[in-house]
Amino acid sequence: AQTVTQSQPEMSVQEAETVTLSCTYDTSESNYYLFWYKQPPSRQMILVIRQEAYKQQNATENRFSVNFQKAAKSFSLKISDSQLGDTAMYFCAFIRGNQFYFGTGTSLTVIP
Amino acid sequence: KAGVTQTPRYLIKTRGQQVTLSCSPISGHRSVSWYQQTPGQGLQFLFEYFSETQRNKGNFPGRFSGRQFSNSRSEMNVSTLELGDSALYLCASSTGLAGVSDTQYFGPGTRLTVL
Repeated sequence: AQTVTQSQPEMSVQEAETVTLSCTYDTSESNYYLFWYKQPPSRQMILVIRQEAYKQQNATENRFSVNFQKAAKSFSLKISDSQLGDTAMYFCAFIRGNQFYFGTGTSLTVIP
Repeated sequence: KAGVTQTPRYLIKTRGQQVTLSCSPISGHRSVSWYQQTPGQGLQFLFEYFSETQRNKGNFPGRFSGRQFSNSRSEMNVSTLELGDSALYLCASSTGLAGVSDTQYFGPGTRLTVL
């Protein structure tokens, strides 16, 4: 069974517009961490944002913010004012037990 | 601080051979995790080493093994290579165990091609 599901394999957005990437996950634990990672074409994976499950407030990092719905086990990423440099593969990740689980990724293209 | 480094960046091997990949974590990080990334399967967890001990293991055959040295550098070995082992192998380091630390830092990866 898929632990982390990203239902949008590919997305595109016009430069300066807003886009939301979806992610759902499966766990019976009450406290955990959720992450969004970005992998640009150069392949270096970098952390975009993280959310601690016990915190109700949605994490925000500059133009990146999340919509964390714990009961629905949903963790979407919103990118505001999209820039060309945001073009990348985005992975939702989740820690369960002592392992990281990654979704299959969403390929985001920002169109000039 | 220097980031996570992986060597070599590219490898080409033939079926049946074995290969060793190396990962140097960020200074002070004691955990190194390894992942296999393929277009079809995405990122899959291989194993995690912490203080020279394997702490967690993903669902991969015994042909995949690893070790960690006292300086936290880690190596991953794949024996009897198969075509399906062609992938980008990523390592990531964290201060503590990946499940305890709040994030991992990834290296650039080693691209392995098996012919």
